[in-house]
Parts: sequence; C-alpha cells; structure tokens
Amino acid sequence: GNSVTQMEGPVTLSEEAFLTINCTYTATGYPSLFWYVQYPGEGLQLLLKATKADDKGSNKGFEATYRKETTSFHLEKGSVQVSDSAVYFCALIGDSGGSNYKLTFGKGTLLTVNP
Amino acid sequence: DAGITQSPRYKITETGRQVTLMCHQTWSHSYMFWYRQDLGHGLRLIYYSAAADITDKGEVPDGYVVSRSKTENFPLTLESATRSQTSVYFCASSEYSTVNTEAFFGQGTRLTVV
Repeated sequence: GNSVTQMEGPVTLSEEAFLTINCTYTATGYPSLFWYVQYPGEGLQLLLKATKADDKGSNKGFEATYRKETTSFHLEKGSVQVSDSAVYFCALIGDSGGSNYKLTFGKGTLLTVNP
Repeated sequence: DAGITQSPRYKITETGRQVTLMCHQTWSHSYMFWYRQDLGHGLRLIYYSAAADITDKGEVPDGYVVSRSKTENFPLTLESATRSQTSVYFCASSEYSTVNTEAFFGQGTRLTVV
C-alpha cells in the first residue's frame, strides 16, 4: 500500500533561518503529493500541492518539488517567521479512483520558530 | 455556509457508551474520510467512502462504524467507547480528479473517553 515517511522532528529554528523538512513516499503509479499545515488548536489546511512529476508547488514562501526519481517531496522555505510555527504533514493521494483514492499522511513535523 | 463541518467540537463520554461524531459537507464531494490524530502517530485513516452507500475500512477501523446514506453526511460511531479511542477526529472530503486533487478538512472533534 501507499506510505509516506517524513522527518519527525521537532525542528526548532531562529527567525529568518532556512527550513527543510524531508518527505519521501512509496506508491504505485503517479500519486498527487501535498503538504498540509496545522496551526495550534486548528484543523488541517492545504499548504501546497503537486500533481505530476517535476511540478513545483508553492505558497506563502514555501516550496516543494515532486521528484519521481527519488520519490521525494521535500518542503523548503528560505526565511521562516515566528508565525510559521505549526505542525507540517506530508501526504499523498493515489492516482486512481476506488480504494486507491485516499490521503495517506506522514507522522507530522512540529516546527517552532523563535524570535 | 459552504464547507465541511464537524459536530460536536468537544465531547467527553464514559467507557462503554456509544457516541456518534457528525460530519457534513456542502460541496457534494464523492469522497469522504475519517481520520484520528494521536501524538506520535500522525493522522491515521479510520474509514472512507467513495459515494453514498459505499464505505471501506482504513488503517484503524476496529471499534468504529460508519454509514453514508446521503452524499453530504458521513457519521462515525463508536459503538462502545474505550479509553484508547480518546483522540482528535478529523473528517475530510474530496472530489476525485487527476489534475486538481485536494481534500478539505473539518475543524476536528476532540473526544475524551473517561
């Protein structure tokens, strides 16, 4: 079945530092890949996505590139802010309908950014 | 209001009681999902549904029951609650697409079993 492995952390950075959170996946075919963010006390929000190989998803200064050759979708941001403190989840969804069409999540990475 | 809503937001129940968590979406998405979130485990899929009257087990279905008689509703029932079912539960919905896939999440239900 499909699976997602992400750096578990926690990760603690100073403001304006560079962020990388690694994510690799196992899936058949061509899944769609996602990063979701969960701010304290809230539900999950889609941060960015990529639906085919070599696509780059980007939003709010975050980026991730769908690398099929390395089955990876690493999240990066050049300069983090205190407001980026949250839990980040890497996820995938299968490329066909039926029983393959379900979101599979990594375990999440807690990011804390200090001023 | 358009969106996906869960109720209740918070629930405390006793061991052995039956409890139902509600999920309602207004987009007529075909797919709906129930996840539980626990520290150290991330989000684990409990059940999902591809359409009304079609449901499938996820990773951790034991102790849970679902139904989907209408496209917009996907209730999750704990038939006899146990302390191990204390968790935060998230409902999500999505429409199958090969080019514009996205899942939308509710705000979650925090369930405590005492």
